[in-house]
Amino acid sequence: EAQVTQNPRYLITVTGKKLTVTCSQNMNHEYMSWYRQDPGLGLRQIYYSMNVEVTDKGDVPEGYKVSRKEKRNFPLILESPSPNQTSLYFCASSLSPGAEQYFGPGTRLTVT
Amino acid sequence: QKEVEQNSGPLSVPEGAIASLNCTYSDRGSQSFFWYRQYSGKSPELIMSIYSNGDKEDGRFTAQLNKASQYVSLLIRDSQPSDSATYLCAVPVLNSGYSTLTFGKGTMLLVSP
Repeated sequence: EAQVTQNPRYLITVTGKKLTVTCSQNMNHEYMSWYRQDPGLGLRQIYYSMNVEVTDKGDVPEGYKVSRKEKRNFPLILESPSPNQTSLYFCASSLSPGAEQYFGPGTRLTVT
Repeated sequence: QKEVEQNSGPLSVPEGAIASLNCTYSDRGSQSFFWYRQYSGKSPELIMSIYSNGDKEDGRFTAQLNKASQYVSLLIRDSQPSDSATYLCAVPVLNSGYSTLTFGKGTMLLVSP
């Protein structure tokens, strides 16, 4: 089954404790992206990747890191999480930046 | 001007009515248009795509595209309470030499029994 997976689905952590949210797709997509979604603000892009080893900042990159060492995986790293990073996070992938994107199930992160 | 604009809603319709959701976009060169449905707390799900002017029907859903007016809409016929969700319009927008899929903020639809 073609899909995008994310783990964990739910995470409660404390300020400053490094965490990684994994994302994997099995559709051989070139383009992958991370979004956060907050009430009233819509989807906001954090980082994206055009291909292996090619990543770039989206609209709200501060406080986040990513890597793309393999085509299928695109982890999101929060090295020192803060309460303002409490949000719902989505990973998405597509054949190209302008093509339809397929979303993972989401990760609800709470930072206390 | 925002690149992809939608009314935030909520749009309230009674069960069985037609719901009409609208979206305008800024990039005249856009060639593909997508509608996503997102239930509260869930991920966006692609429900319709349209590439040429006119209407495209899929079951109770009809997407309408007017490139001259830079306008795309989604009609939901015989609306059901299970259609209550936020609907996101997505359009590729040219930025820094290539097109990137850009999402509107979404319109919340509420269908009352």
